[in-house]
Amino acid sequence: GNSVTQMEGPVTLSEEAFLTINCTYTATGYPSLFWYVQYPGEGLQLLLKATKADDKGSNKGFEATYRKETTSFHLEKGSVQVSDSAVYFCALLGGYQKVTFGTGTKLQVIP
Amino acid sequence: DGGITQSPKYLFRKEGQNVTLSCEQNLNHDAMYWYRQDPGQGLRLIYYSQIVNDFQKGDIAEGYSVSREKKESFPLTVTSAQKNPTAFYLCASRVGQGNTGELFFGEGSRLTVL
Repeated sequence: GNSVTQMEGPVTLSEEAFLTINCTYTATGYPSLFWYVQYPGEGLQLLLKATKADDKGSNKGFEATYRKETTSFHLEKGSVQVSDSAVYFCALLGGYQKVTFGTGTKLQVIP
Repeated sequence: DGGITQSPKYLFRKEGQNVTLSCEQNLNHDAMYWYRQDPGQGLRLIYYSQIVNDFQKGDIAEGYSVSREKKESFPLTVTSAQKNPTAFYLCASRVGQGNTGELFFGEGSRLTVL
């Protein structure tokens, strides 16, 4: 079946540092890929998505590129802020409309 | 406002009791999903439904049941057969057609078994 593997957290960074959260996937066919963010005490919300190979999703300074050759969708941001502290989830939409999530990576940004 | 409403937000249950979590959406989405969130384990799919009167088991369906009698509603019943039901439950929906639409989530229901 499909699966998503994320780097384990927590990740602690100073404000304005560069962020990378790794995500790799296993899937048949041509899945769509997503990053969701969960702020404390809330449900998940979409951060960005990419629906085909080589697409780049971007939002709020975050970016991720769909790399089919390496089956990866790493999340990056050039300069993090304290307000970016949250849990980030990589997800895959595969066949039969099934959506599979990674385990999540907690990010803490300190001033 | 369009969105997904889950209720109750907090629920306490005694062992051996069934409990039903409500999920309603007014986004006119075809597909609906139930996930369970536990610390360090991410979101695990319990059940999902692509269309009214049809649903599929996810990865951890044992001890749970669902129904999809109306497009806007997808209630989840946590039965007494679920061995470790204490968790945070998230309901979501998406357009359901094609392979590109993202999930929209409710705010979740936290179930505690006493």
